Amino acid sequence: DTEVTQTPKHLVMGMTNKKSLKCEQHMGHRAMYWYKQKAKKPPELMFVYSYEKLSINESVPSRFSPECPNSSLLNLHLHALQPEDSALYLCASSQYRSPIGYTFGSGTRLTVV
Amino acid sequence: GQQVMQIPQYQHVQEGEDFTTYCNSSTTLSNIQWYKQRPGGHPVFLIQLVKSGEVKKQKRLTFQFGEAKKNSSLHITATQTTDVGTYFCAGRGSSNTGKLIFGQGTTLQVKP
Repeated sequence: DTEVTQTPKHLVMGMTNKKSLKCEQHMGHRAMYWYKQKAKKPPELMFVYSYEKLSINESVPSRFSPECPNSSLLNLHLHALQPEDSALYLCASSQYRSPIGYTFGSGTRLTVV
Repeated sequence: GQQVMQIPQYQHVQEGEDFTTYCNSSTTLSNIQWYKQRPGGHPVFLIQLVKSGEVKKQKRLTFQFGEAKKNSSLHITATQTTDVGTYFCAGRGSSNTGKLIFGQGTTLQVKP
């Protein structure tokens, strides 16, 4: 299995909703990442987990809450989002400091209404 | 903080023409990676360069890492319509944080 699977693929949520994005990989990668990508912009790093511990939080607002239940799963809990949070949310994984790059999932396209 | 600049932002070429995108970092990089994102898709890893002056080839794609490890380029020879997409460079700084910072990307359009 050489894929990163993200669910759901599309999500529409209201500003008072609570939802979660899920990411799964079975490549034995010990580093997992959340990126946010706006249209025609590069991916922007949000969080990094190394060996299931949060190692980098890029000053992301607390309405985004990451969780790494085990080495294969990564969640992003969403609460009280704003319309400007609408974007493509990408999960990625890699071997820690690996030369083979990141494997990205196909993303969740989030619309906040 | 570390910044990675990439030019040009857009490039339109006729099929068969060559294409080059350039990447410059404000700081020395430990390595640089290149990704391709097709329209509506997600970034796909192409290659990583680590050594000063390194050159790697993948069929029609040639990747270079500068001697000072602050710049890189991707050159595509004889473009095809399948080359359409946005090409991102992504640099990792020399510190131990391991953060990969993406350039702004170059979007390539190929006219058949």
